[in-house]
Amino acid sequence: DVKVTQSSRYLVKRTGEKVFLECVQDMDHENMFWYRQDPGLGLRLIYFSYDVKMKEKGDIPEGYSVSREKKERFSLILESASTNQTSMYLCASSLYAPVGGTMNTEAFFGQGTRLTVV
Amino acid sequence: SQKIEQNSEALNIQEGKTATLTCNYTNYSPAYLQWYRQDPGRGPVFLLLIRENEKEKRKERLKVTFDTTLKQSLFHITASQPADSATYLCALDAYSGGGADGLTFGKGTHLIIQP
Repeated sequence: DVKVTQSSRYLVKRTGEKVFLECVQDMDHENMFWYRQDPGLGLRLIYFSYDVKMKEKGDIPEGYSVSREKKERFSLILESASTNQTSMYLCASSLYAPVGGTMNTEAFFGQGTRLTVV
Repeated sequence: SQKIEQNSEALNIQEGKTATLTCNYTNYSPAYLQWYRQDPGRGPVFLLLIRENEKEKRKERLKVTFDTTLKQSLFHITASQPADSATYLCALDAYSGGGADGLTFGKGTHLIIQP
């Protein structure tokens, strides 16, 4: 069974802490993504990566960074957590498609990490 | 800027009827469109992908249409069941250039199937 695994289901951190959210996929996918989901705002893309050590900013990268040192792992880093980063964070992966890119393959999502910053 | 619109209000449908959900988009010329299902507290699950040259796509009780002239996709669930109750999301390229981009999602429509 294909899998995207996020390291924590629930996380509580203090304001100003550096926070690491880890995501691992076992499907040998090239593409990996980080989203956050908030009520009324839907899913918003933070960063994505299409290869090891490659990264691209999404719609809301401010306050976040990412790391992809290995193909199967994509980490989201909150440099200095703030209360407005309290959210559900979702990681996803997909296979690279030579035609159509990201849109021509299905994305597999992890179960999500509900982060609360106090 | 690019925009995806889905019915933001919940859609209540009687069990056994066909549920129809709408996804409208502006400032896109997508070659593909995807639909996902999301249950509370869980990540989205892929349902269907449709390409611009496919007017319609079916999978069991699900049907998706894609009208690039109207800039609209319709998602149908026939013979709906209470277990179909969930939020349904449509997704397009994050950027019009295509290629190695992220998906961008509509806010989703919450579907409730009443027994």
